[in-house]
Amino acid sequence: QVQLQESGPGLVKPSETLSLTCTVSGVSISTYYCSWIRQPPGRGLEWIGYIYYGGSTNYNPSLKSRVAISADTSKNQFSLRLTSVTAADTAVYYCARSSGRDSSGIDYWGQGTLVTVSS
Amino acid sequence: QSVLTQPPSVSGAPGQRVTISCTGSSSNIGAAYDLHWYQQLPGTAPKFLISINTNRPSGVPGRISGSRSGSSASLAITELQTEDEADYYCQSYDNSLDGWVFGGGTKLTVL
Repeated sequence: QVQLQESGPGLVKPSETLSLTCTVSGVSISTYYCSWIRQPPGRGLEWIGYIYYGGSTNYNPSLKSRVAISADTSKNQFSLRLTSVTAADTAVYYCARSSGRDSSGIDYWGQGTLVTVSS
Repeated sequence: QSVLTQPPSVSGAPGQRVTISCTGSSSNIGAAYDLHWYQQLPGTAPKFLISINTNRPSGVPGRISGSRSGSSASLAITELQTEDEADYYCQSYDNSLDGWVFGGGTKLTVL
């Protein structure tokens, strides 16, 4: 059974770095597109980026200068770093996986973790 | 402003049919990339519902279907039930952004 679980601080101060980790069980992350997606309170979904085949990455152009996604295949985990955060980065952050870039839906999601940016 | 455009809300009575539209452009839906739909119940993570180009995943009822025409797509739900009340999102790949794009979401209310 495939499961994804986000972990990390729920509160980050403005201008600091948001760091989250997604632990995946039931399948190897090396063969999938592993993504971070966020949802500000009361708003829609925003793709942050993904790492695929264990190492290649693509990011949302609107966040590209501040975001990095990495993977630790030995632990079957992938991580998100978002620098210089502001209140606009307050959101529920989901990790998720897809079998492909365009031909497959995002079929497994973590439960999501709320990250609040506040001093 | 989302790359894919959805109506903010739709509604229907139990037993009726509703459709939710998703309008894109030549760099996403119009480029024949697959279009995916998700259902999000309050307080939960989105759930993959259906893809336009592929078969319906097991567990998704046959009264839910998707279609495409040019740069637009639609999700149709027939025999509307109270448990269908949720937010629905469309998603595709966009070759100008080289990444995934979502619609702004549509809130379905069952009257």
